[in-house]
Amino acid sequence: RKEVEQDPGPFNVPEGATVAFNCTYSNSASQSFFWYRQDCRKEPKLLMSVYSSGNEDGRFTAQLNRASQYISLLIRDSKLSDSATYLCVVSRGFNKFYFGSGTKLNVKP
Amino acid sequence: NAGVTQTPKFQVLKTGQSMTLQCAQDMNHNSMYWYRQDPGMGLRLIYYSASEGTTDKGEVPNGYNVSRLNKREFSLRLESAAPSQTSVYFCASSAGHRAFVSSGNTIYFGEGSWLTVV
Repeated sequence: RKEVEQDPGPFNVPEGATVAFNCTYSNSASQSFFWYRQDCRKEPKLLMSVYSSGNEDGRFTAQLNRASQYISLLIRDSKLSDSATYLCVVSRGFNKFYFGSGTKLNVKP
Repeated sequence: NAGVTQTPKFQVLKTGQSMTLQCAQDMNHNSMYWYRQDPGMGLRLIYYSASEGTTDKGEVPNGYNVSRLNKREFSLRLESAAPSQTSVYFCASSAGHRAFVSSGNTIYFGEGSWLTVV
């Protein structure tokens, strides 16, 4: 079983839509959780960390459910510039990172 | 704000040739990593270095060697390149220290190296 699983998409949504991505992780000892964004032919970049209480950054809201081993990312009022691949990342210890395969988002005019 | 710098950005090799990808970070991070990314496969860990002086195999180490030259630099060598090694290679680093885990130990990537083996 993969450490981190994501729906690969693509999610095709119109501008202004709200879209949600989900991710599950298999190891309950996982300690830190992140969403990364990767644009075409670019490196992954940190979008936001995910905290147990949930957290928000502008139009982006991340949730963590440790009991269900589930992470989510909600994007409100989608912009064309949000089109990218979103990677769910989980870490354990000091240097063990596990990446989902990514969910592709296409925001259409 | 250089962060993680890797070179070269693009390289074409012939089968059997050797080359070294260079990586340096200026964030005083302990841990460094080399990943490859192929379409539909996601990021796969080749090798990592938890701290200066140590290296360990990741998920796909065959055909590669690494050197942690010092705390800043971590190189990846292809001794005899094969077409199956055509990929995008990303170097990355993280603090890799107990003090950072509770506050969110994030990983930072270089811009990538596009390698084609013909």
